[in-house]
Amino acid sequence: NAGVTQTPKFQVLKTGQSMTLQCAQDMNHEYMSWYRQDPGMGLRLIHYSVGAGITDQGEVPNGYNVSRSTTEDFPLRLLSAAPSQTSVYFCASSYFPRDSVRTDTQYFGPGTRLTVL
Amino acid sequence: AQKVTQAQTEISVVEKEDVTLDCVYETRDTTYYLFWYKQPPSGELVFLIRRNSFDEQNEISGRYSWNFQKSTSSFNFTITASQVVDSAVYFCALSGWGAQKLVFGQGTRLTINP
Repeated sequence: NAGVTQTPKFQVLKTGQSMTLQCAQDMNHEYMSWYRQDPGMGLRLIHYSVGAGITDQGEVPNGYNVSRSTTEDFPLRLLSAAPSQTSVYFCASSYFPRDSVRTDTQYFGPGTRLTVL
Repeated sequence: AQKVTQAQTEISVVEKEDVTLDCVYETRDTTYYLFWYKQPPSGELVFLIRRNSFDEQNEISGRYSWNFQKSTSSFNFTITASQVVDSAVYFCALSGWGAQKLVFGQGTRLTINP
């Protein structure tokens, strides 16, 4: 298994440009999510999905769009990049629990370092 | 709302010293999960441990140990006989039922000097 993969590893954008950060997992995990990491603030949840066709907002969703057409892929779209979106982006996945005790650990991808000029 | 506080921004110790990283959390959930992740200089996030709110047993894994105390809402992490390879940023995280939506602390940067 490749686990959780993210592309690209590095990206530089100009203000106003759009782009898509790719995330894929081969573990058949239902749950996928995107976090951003900023200095001194830990990681914050942007969007998440509990299965194909289902997405929801996290703590900091503004400026980002997501869709989940397959179980494997969960791309994150920046519609019009802004300098405030300069960050390291992590994708994560896990099984989604179906009872009151089952849970699972989230596995993170290697991250994408994005700079918006 | 859930919150995780890691009051220690940076810690620097000499190799072989013991070091404890503090984590204090806030939640109204009766069922919740606590995590520690390690982020080495290479940048990836490495899972270390998960703890359920209904299991207050402390855990030891080699040189690592975790002390979970619901009475003080703390989940502290101790490295015994630290090594240079332990140098990293360590994150404590909290989630509700299902361990899905993680709330992270600010992280503690640990530097082990030879």
